[in-house]
Amino acid sequence: AAGVIQSPRHLIKEKRETATLKCYPIPRHDTVYWYQQGPGQDPQFLISFYEKMQSDKGSIPDRFSAQQFSDYHSELNMSSLELGDSALYFCASSPLAGGDYNEQFFGPGTRLTVL
Amino acid sequence: GIQVEQSPPDLILQEGANSTLRCNFSDSVNNLQWFHQNPWGQLINLFYIPSGTKQNGRLSATTVATERYSLLYISSSQTTDSGVYFCAVEPVQGAQKLVFGQGTRLTINP
Repeated sequence: AAGVIQSPRHLIKEKRETATLKCYPIPRHDTVYWYQQGPGQDPQFLISFYEKMQSDKGSIPDRFSAQQFSDYHSELNMSSLELGDSALYFCASSPLAGGDYNEQFFGPGTRLTVL
Repeated sequence: GIQVEQSPPDLILQEGANSTLRCNFSDSVNNLQWFHQNPWGQLINLFYIPSGTKQNGRLSATTVATERYSLLYISSSQTTDSGVYFCAVEPVQGAQKLVFGQGTRLTINP
C-alpha cells in the first residue's frame, strides 16, 4: 500500500539558511499535517491543511510557512534557521476530514540538522 | 489544552514477557491512536482505537472513552518490540491535530 512520502530524508543546513521540506500524502487523502519532534521529545503539531486551505495552526514559528498545492502535496518552508530547529519533521495524512474515520498515517520523516 | 499522560515512562523486560502500557487523557477525544517509534525514528501505526478493544497478533488495545484512558498490551515480547510507544489523541475541541503523550520507552532484552 502507498505510504506518505517525504523528501529529503536528511538535510544539513547552516544557521540563518533556509530549508524546504516536501510531503506527498497517501492517494485520496486530502488532509496533511506537519509535526516537529525534537531529540527525546514527543511530536508536536505545527500546522495542517484541508483541501489546500490551512485548517489549524500549532506552535509554528513565524519563520516557518507551509502550503498545500493542487495535487495535495505540501511543502514546509523554514527560514533563518536556528540551532534549535534541529529535529525530525514528520508529515502525516488522513482521509476526508470530518468523517468518522480520521486515522493519521505518518511519513518516514525528514531529519534536519542545523550547524 | 488536553493533557496526555503515559505510564510507565520506561520499561525493561526480558524476551517473552508480557507488558501493559497506559495512556490517560484529560478531556473528551474524537480519536486515539497508538504508535511504535522504532530505532530509525519511524512512527508505525499500531491501533486506531477511539473506543472498544482491538487485537493484532501479539498486540491488543482497549480504550474506555468514558473513563478517559487506553491500554496497550504486548504479549510474548520480542527484541524487535523495543522502541518508544506513543499514545496520541485528537481532542473534541479544535481541528484534527494529534496531541501526543511523552511515550513509554520499552527495552526488550534477549
